[in-house]
Amino acid sequence: GAGVSQSPSNKVTEKGKDVELRCDPISGHTALYWYRQSLGQGLEFLIYFQGNSAPDKSGLPSDRFSAERTGGSVSTLTIQRTQQEDSAVYLCASSSRVGGEQFFGPGTRLTVL
Amino acid sequence: AQSVTQLDSQVPVFEEAPVELRCNYSSSVSVYLFWYVQYPNQGLQLLLKYLSGSTLVKGINGFEAEFNKSQTSFHLRKPSVHISDTAEYFCAVSDRRGSARQLTFGSGTQLTVLP
Repeated sequence: GAGVSQSPSNKVTEKGKDVELRCDPISGHTALYWYRQSLGQGLEFLIYFQGNSAPDKSGLPSDRFSAERTGGSVSTLTIQRTQQEDSAVYLCASSSRVGGEQFFGPGTRLTVL
Repeated sequence: AQSVTQLDSQVPVFEEAPVELRCNYSSSVSVYLFWYVQYPNQGLQLLLKYLSGSTLVKGINGFEAEFNKSQTSFHLRKPSVHISDTAEYFCAVSDRRGSARQLTFGSGTQLTVLP
């Protein structure tokens, strides 16, 4: 596709349930980032993938959060046992190289009831 | 570690007036600087970036920003705004030497252009 796509666009879940958020980066982009945008915390970095290197997980807020990137392309962010404070917009970005411009997807709005 | 401060959370301005959105950063290392714009219900779009060279950088939609190292600022300006510029604007930095180059964002400034 022409840009970064994310699915679903909106997700409503109940507290305690697990959710999976998907990101399709721009074809050929080797770097992929996840960010979270919430009212209280603004935009925060979560995790970064670069090629086949081990991901940089330094921004993940708890061990309930995990992410994987299969085949160097699609990425899935998983939140286990969701809490109300997990409600936010989750943004994915990709870049053709480290330090290059990051192109953002439209985000997934997660609401935990 | 870096931090970014956007001093104004909301900036209302009349159409065709000039605007300046302020951004200050704090970092113990050299950084790259960015401004992103977010229109309602859309993702972030890069307006402009400072990597090196001239401290005055020009971006899309008539925006420009000036890097001031001594004041650790990267204020965004536009000489004449349009209604369509109404959006939220984010200043961001990334560590020049970091392997990940993840972005650290400010809290955002909501620009509202009034008719």
